[in-house]
Amino acid sequence: GQQLNQSPQSMFIQEGEDVSMNCTSSSIFNTWLWYKQDPGEGPVLLIALYKAGELTSNGRLTAQFGITRKDSFLNISASIPSDVGIYFCAGSNNDMRFGAGTRLTVKP
Amino acid sequence: DAGVIQSPRHEVTEMGQEVTLRCKPISGHNSLFWYRQTMMRGLELLIYFNNNVPIDDSGMPEDRFSAKMPNASFSTLKIQPSEPRDSAVYFCASSWAPGGGSPLHFGNGTRLTVT
Repeated sequence: GQQLNQSPQSMFIQEGEDVSMNCTSSSIFNTWLWYKQDPGEGPVLLIALYKAGELTSNGRLTAQFGITRKDSFLNISASIPSDVGIYFCAGSNNDMRFGAGTRLTVKP
Repeated sequence: DAGVIQSPRHEVTEMGQEVTLRCKPISGHNSLFWYRQTMMRGLELLIYFNNNVPIDDSGMPEDRFSAKMPNASFSTLKIQPSEPRDSAVYFCASSWAPGGGSPLHFGNGTRLTVT
């Protein structure tokens, strides 16, 4: 099946530091997406990437769609306490599959 | 925009009972997805519909699980009979296009506990 390997599983960082997480797959995806989930809520879309090689920013977030279409990364610059949560990568062809998530903790 | 609406938010039931989870997708969206989230398995796709028709139900764990979408504004996920291992958070999500990477909009989930 279409497995997504997301790393790291968790990160503990100091406020103000930059964060990087990534996702790889053995399968090609037409679209890569990044979501954030807060406790008690559903995942919320952060960034969607539609083209191999595409680099997209959304405020302090930057994500790239790998050239091979089998990977993507998400960077968060100058982290703040409200960045805490679980970040999921997702790959989509006809349906959408999710990575296992990266749990981010930001210490003030 | 009301977003995807799921009910109930929490459900506690005894093993063997029937459980019905409900979802109202965003108006105008024509694809609907059901996911299950657990610590062990993360977010698993159970089934998805396009224009009310089930497209892929290969993620449905077993025959105890069934899902329906009688119209564009309503879907149910039923578990009968329920078992403790079904305890999880169940999410419904909708999108405006039949796959192809159209972003999913998630509801806030139903936390199911089967004792």
